[in-house]
Amino acid sequence: ETGVTQTPRHLVMGMTNKKSLKCEQHLGHNAMYWYKQSAKKPLELMFVYNFKEQTENNSVPSRFSPECPNSSHLFLHLHTLQPEDSALYLCASSQAPWTSGTYEQYFGPGTRLTVT
Amino acid sequence: GQQLNQSPQSMFIQEGEDVSMNCTSSSIFNTWLWYKQDPGEGPVLLIALYKAGELTSNGRLTAQFGITRKDSFLNISASIPSDVGIYFCAGYDSMEYGNKLVFGAGTILRVKS
Repeated sequence: ETGVTQTPRHLVMGMTNKKSLKCEQHLGHNAMYWYKQSAKKPLELMFVYNFKEQTENNSVPSRFSPECPNSSHLFLHLHTLQPEDSALYLCASSQAPWTSGTYEQYFGPGTRLTVT
Repeated sequence: GQQLNQSPQSMFIQEGEDVSMNCTSSSIFNTWLWYKQDPGEGPVLLIALYKAGELTSNGRLTAQFGITRKDSFLNISASIPSDVGIYFCAGYDSMEYGNKLVFGAGTILRVKS
């Protein structure tokens, strides 16, 4: 399945590094999302973009900075992360519900991030 | 924020057995989704439900949208080893504005061959 792709799949970074996660969707969707998945916790929504505009920031620390240059691409820029930020970061896309009447989100494979 | 109660947390069953899991919310939902996540991968959408009482199948999987609109059920018939994984329910709260899904904590399914 290549509907939503994420790179890199694995990332190890030090607390002083700057890195970026990339997501691309090939489904013609107009909404994109970043989620954080930690062990034994429900998926945590981080950011929502609808038609390239950020519509939700779920109280995410400023060391995470999203960017959505167009409806197909989403980035998550990382800097001065903490070890507790180690997790699986998932990107998802969907049609904006008010355009489709549906809420189905499609996920990428995730980036496993380890902060040392 | 809104949370979903998903149960059981984990299951260890014999191959060939039927499996049931459910999800409940404290508020009315107008959408229920069921996902499966394999190790090292992202969740994959299995079934989407949009109407109270709706019963939808996808192969050996059957899911139902509870008539109270506060719960949903997923059944897997005749489980096989590849059913192993984590199953998540997700829902959209009818009182919420925007496109924020709420997720359950997941049911871990392990199958004995």
